Amino acid sequence: AQKVTQAQTEISVVEKEDVTLDCVYETRDTTYYLFWYKQPPSGELVFLIRRNSFDEQNEISGRYSWNFQKSTSSFNFTITASQVVDSAVYFCALSEFKGYQKVTFGIGTKLQVIP
Amino acid sequence: DGGITQSPKYLFRKEGQNVTLSCEQNLNHDAMYWYRQDPGQGLRLIYYSQIVNDFQKGDIAEGYSVSREKKESFPLTVTSAQKNPTAFYLCASSDPGLAGDQETQYFGPGTRLLVL
Repeated sequence: AQKVTQAQTEISVVEKEDVTLDCVYETRDTTYYLFWYKQPPSGELVFLIRRNSFDEQNEISGRYSWNFQKSTSSFNFTITASQVVDSAVYFCALSEFKGYQKVTFGIGTKLQVIP
Repeated sequence: DGGITQSPKYLFRKEGQNVTLSCEQNLNHDAMYWYRQDPGQGLRLIYYSQIVNDFQKGDIAEGYSVSREKKESFPLTVTSAQKNPTAFYLCASSDPGLAGDQETQYFGPGTRLLVL
């Protein structure tokens, strides 16, 4: 069965600090996709990144970077020089094709950036 | 601008009442989904639809019903059989035919349902 673990339920950092959000997943499939979503206080889930299981290249987008390691089944998310606007709940998710794209979400990590 | 709209933003339900949550998308996506989010938990799938006039139960379908009569619309009815309906409901869509992005689900702003 697929599973996503986000062990950090809440993190607080001071503005301009770097922060890493951890995500560990379990799956028996060889083809799968990993995602990160941001949920600000307004509630809408905002798509941040998608990674397929065959692409272990790390990705950087501005202050955001993602580290995908199949050997440890991890897909960690780092925010560099955090800002107050980064305060939100961040969800890691795993998608596999089971007749449809079945997505399993972690419970989320609540990030608070203190000015 | 293309996107997903959900209405209302807040909804109040009385005991024994059925209520319907609206979800509309103009992204021309074939697949649509309904999720329920409870505090401190991840999202759980209620129903999904891969194409018009077809839908399937997700992990927690009991007490809910849906219809998919139009490609752009996927309303969710919370029936009186759902004993604990208070939650945040999120609608999503994806385009299974879009090469390179068929797995990505895009979400609406959500509806918060409260029981009076």
